[in-house]
Amino acid sequence: GENVEQHPSTLSVQEGDSAVIKCTYSDSASNYFPWYKQELGKRPQLIIDIRSNVGEKKDQRIAVTLNKTAKHFSLHITETQPEDSAVYFCAASIRSGNQFYFGTGTSLTVIP
Amino acid sequence: DAGITQSPRHKVTETGTPVTLRCHQTENHRYMYWYRQDPGHGLRLIHYSYGVKDTDKGEVSDGYSVSRSKTEDFLLTLESATSSQTSVYFCAISESTNAYEQYFGPGTRLTVT
Repeated sequence: GENVEQHPSTLSVQEGDSAVIKCTYSDSASNYFPWYKQELGKRPQLIIDIRSNVGEKKDQRIAVTLNKTAKHFSLHITETQPEDSAVYFCAASIRSGNQFYFGTGTSLTVIP
Repeated sequence: DAGITQSPRHKVTETGTPVTLRCHQTENHRYMYWYRQDPGHGLRLIHYSYGVKDTDKGEVSDGYSVSRSKTEDFLLTLESATSSQTSVYFCAISESTNAYEQYFGPGTRLTVT
């Protein structure tokens, strides 16, 4: 099955700086890559996603890039704010309705 | 948040007892999933359903069974709970064959003593 690796496991940045989280996947058939944000004690919330026919997608301060050849994708958060502090998970899926394979998460702390 | 509820939200049970967790959705979505979340492992799929009475195993299905008799309800059963099943359990839903997005319920914290 698919194997998704996520780095780093923890990340601390100063408020206003950028944060980058990287994931790699093993199955070249994977074609959907979502990112979830999970605040302490809350449910994972979808923040952005990308499909394999797109190389980059942006939504305000967050962006995701995908390199299909290298089988890796990254989450970029610019102008970080304290409310960005949370655990972020990447995932990969082969087709709609199919299971997601999640990374192990990155705990992001934004220092005011 | 999508119309997903889970019950109970917290449960403490003893080793060897049966436990059933319920996921209820009001979105009429076709796909439903059960994940467990453990430190260092992220979210791992237990079972999923692609329609009423249609279910399949995920990567960590041993010790769990599921049932889906109605579109809106997906039940997860631990036939004989073990301490290794102490975890936070999340239900998720997904709309249809062309919609990849999964939306999560609020979670159930299960402790097996």
